[in-house]
Amino acid sequence: DIQMTQSPSSLSASVGDRVTITCRASQGINNYLVWFQQKPGKAPKSLIYAASTLQSGVPSKFSGSGSGTDFTLTITSLQPEDFATYYCQQYYNYPLTFGGGTKVEIK
Amino acid sequence: EVQLVESGGGLVQPGGSLRLSCAASGFTFTNYWLHWVRQAPGKGLMWVSRIKSDGSITNYADSVKGRFTISRDNAKNTLYLQMNSLRAEDTAVYYCVRAEGYWGQGTLVTVSS
Repeated sequence: DIQMTQSPSSLSASVGDRVTITCRASQGINNYLVWFQQKPGKAPKSLIYAASTLQSGVPSKFSGSGSGTDFTLTITSLQPEDFATYYCQQYYNYPLTFGGGTKVEIK
Repeated sequence: EVQLVESGGGLVQPGGSLRLSCAASGFTFTNYWLHWVRQAPGKGLMWVSRIKSDGSITNYADSVKGRFTISRDNAKNTLYLQMNSLRAEDTAVYYCVRAEGYWGQGTLVTVSS
């Protein structure tokens, strides 16, 4: 199975900050990567697919980059509704595998 | 708009059975592999099973192999997960997933006496 390692596991940030989350795959996955956001008690909400393509309706404050094994999610101008847990997921190969999550908390 | 709507979750005793359904719309159902992914309370995400677009290939996580069966009805645009011999550790929210980032709202399965 492809291992997905996300960092950091948590971070504290202030409203208006820019944050960056990284995800590393244990082998090359081309650009078959999704980033999604999850709030407590809610289903995951997809933000980005194919490593850098914004899902329909997702604001441009979210951006993704990377290919191969190293990927980043950047959120600019953090707002209260952005405080959540973020996950990466690869779909290059089965089984689908997920990063451990990054909890973004209010400083 | 892609929509995946799960149903069928609930409370079941250990050893019992449950069948989950996922009604799909907004895309050509017969073009896509589909997956079930689960999330135990307070835990991360775990892939459970997948099925090819025409139903001819299925795969399972080792922890559910022999107990769970994934299937699909392409005439009804519906995905299923038959869960037998349920255990307490199967307690989770189960999501229907299209791998490119489409998730249903989930259905909670609780296995408890």
